Amino acid sequence: AQSVTQLDSHVSVSEGTPVLLRCNYSSSYSPSLFWYVQHPNKGLQLLLKYTSAATLVKGINGFEAEFKKSETSFHLTKPSAHMSDAAEYFCVVIYTGGFKTIFGAGTRLFVKA
Amino acid sequence: GAGVSQSPSNKVTEKGKDVELRCDPISGHTALYWYRQSLGQGLEFLIYFQGNSAPDKSGLPSDRFSAERTGGSVSTLTIQRTQQEDSAVYLCASSFRRGGEETQYFGPGTRLLVL
Repeated sequence: AQSVTQLDSHVSVSEGTPVLLRCNYSSSYSPSLFWYVQHPNKGLQLLLKYTSAATLVKGINGFEAEFKKSETSFHLTKPSAHMSDAAEYFCVVIYTGGFKTIFGAGTRLFVKA
Repeated sequence: GAGVSQSPSNKVTEKGKDVELRCDPISGHTALYWYRQSLGQGLEFLIYFQGNSAPDKSGLPSDRFSAERTGGSVSTLTIQRTQQEDSAVYLCASSFRRGGEETQYFGPGTRLLVL
């Protein structure tokens, strides 16, 4: 079955330190991969997307993600966390064969001063 | 242009009442999705419209839930005889498929509280 796994339900980092949010997906041909961010009481905002171009994708607010087909991973990183990054992050996969959208369970990022 | 808009932003209702939630997608987007996000939970797919095709209703949790999309644009999600477990944030997203690619853009959501 097609699935998306966000390996950590919660991640806590100190301000100024690197962020790593992990996402693995079940193998399929031609997936499109996305990261969305949801701040408290807000809708989902698109951070970045991978659609079979460059494997390293740069998004907004200094975030980037690398598509690794051999590992079926699409981890989200940021070199230096900011307090405003505290939010919930969702990894999303669209399997273009049938345009089925699958959301990960979400990772809540806490940033400590 | 404008993003996806939803109304109302907040809705408080009494158990047993019907509610209607509205979604205005991005102009020109042919696909429209409804999701539900319960407290502390991920996103739950509810229903999907694509152009003039029959909607995919496979995610609707019960027959109290229905949705329609008029003129291929605005969509209304209706919950009849609301229950307390219906309390959640209801999110709408729209998208346009091009060359096998699709990106969903989300509205701010409607926060529904059933007392």
